Amino acid sequence: ETGVTQTPRHLVMGMTNKKSLKCEQHLGHNAMYWYKQSAKKPLELMFVYNFKEQTENNSVPSRFSPECPNSSHLFLHLHTLQPEDSALYLCASSQAGSSGNTIYFGEGSWLTVV
Amino acid sequence: GESVGLHLPTLSVQEGDNSIINCAYSNSASDYFIWYKQESGKGPQFIIDIRSNMDKRQGQRVTVLLNKTVKHLSLQIAATQPGDSAVYFCAENLGNQGGKLIFGQGTELSVKP
Repeated sequence: ETGVTQTPRHLVMGMTNKKSLKCEQHLGHNAMYWYKQSAKKPLELMFVYNFKEQTENNSVPSRFSPECPNSSHLFLHLHTLQPEDSALYLCASSQAGSSGNTIYFGEGSWLTVV
Repeated sequence: GESVGLHLPTLSVQEGDNSIINCAYSNSASDYFIWYKQESGKGPQFIIDIRSNMDKRQGQRVTVLLNKTVKHLSLQIAATQPGDSAVYFCAENLGNQGGKLIFGQGTELSVKP
């Protein structure tokens, strides 16, 4: 149990579907992140939210739409994805502020786009 | 560009031996470093961290060494066990960018019984 819960753990969707990934953190943190992990590539930061406000969008295509209704919840809305978007999507949280705050990850959502 | 990288993509060790996983970083402004372990089908799990004002930190069976002169980070695992088999990532925290982590590619550790 990492304190960061992601659902669903596995998702298969067609290129015309709309789906959402959900993340909830129980650590009292105020920063949340979405990372993408593809095979044989480093983790790629997608979005950062601090105190519910988006502070970073790392040139992510608009077919990925994040939503952060409060400091404990984070969503990633998916629509018209491409097969190359198939990957493990990791949510993480930390205590925002100065550097040196460890980021804690959830178990990830495995996404397959067919 | 700025990056964190690993010297070896795979490492195979005998059970009971010590393991050393290396990492190079290029940003001298980084002030905090973390090692993560990722087992198959799971998310990265925090192992140990070290701040730039230290050169060594020890945990339970793990030690992280930081050499700022050559921008090198290593993770030492003592008495490696089969449960240590995983991919290990180092990450650097760019202190001037609000705590954003940059990850290396990862080293896959395989422990032979």
